[in-house]
Amino acid sequence: RKEVEQDPGPFNVPEGATVAFNCTYSNSASQSFFWYRQDCRKEPKLLMSVYSSGNEDGRFTAQLNRASQYISLLIRDSKLSDSATYLCVVNIDRGSTLGRLYFGRGTQLTVWP
Amino acid sequence: GAGVSQSPSNKVTEKGKDVELRCDPISGHTALYWYRQSLGQGLEFLIYFQGNSAPDKSGLPSDRFSAERTGGSVSTLTIQRTQQEDSAVYLCASKTSGGADYNEQFFGPGTRLTVL
Repeated sequence: RKEVEQDPGPFNVPEGATVAFNCTYSNSASQSFFWYRQDCRKEPKLLMSVYSSGNEDGRFTAQLNRASQYISLLIRDSKLSDSATYLCVVNIDRGSTLGRLYFGRGTQLTVWP
Repeated sequence: GAGVSQSPSNKVTEKGKDVELRCDPISGHTALYWYRQSLGQGLEFLIYFQGNSAPDKSGLPSDRFSAERTGGSVSTLTIQRTQQEDSAVYLCASKTSGGADYNEQFFGPGTRLTVL
């Protein structure tokens, strides 16, 4: 079983729509959680970290449920510029200084006018 | 400040040749990672360096792959006797520390390797 599993997508939504992505992780030793964004033929970049209390950054809201080992990302009022692949990322503690990131395969989002 | 840089940006080689890919992490970052990404696929972890600790090589797909990190800074990924299935984008990333923390992992632009 993969460490991180994501909705396969693709998601195709009109501008202004609300879209949600889900992700599950298998290792309870996971310590920190992120959503990264990857544009076509570009490197991944951090979108937002995901904290236990949930957090919001403008139109983006991330939630973490440690009991269910589940992470979500909600995008409100989608823009054309939100079109990208969204990567769910989990950092698993493998020792005091040996945390390693595990990436989901990504969910592709296309926002159309 | 300068981000993670990688060279070359593109490399075309013939099957059976050796290639070296270079990564310059952000200055002061102790953790350095190599990944590869085939067309339309997710990131595949290859190897991870953290300070003076022994590297985590668990993601290297075969003994044709090796990596070094000299002086805790620049890293070189070497692929010997390249095969067509090695064609992919090789991404390097660095981070201020290797712990399971919330520090961001910064990626370089990648090296696109094509094996003919």
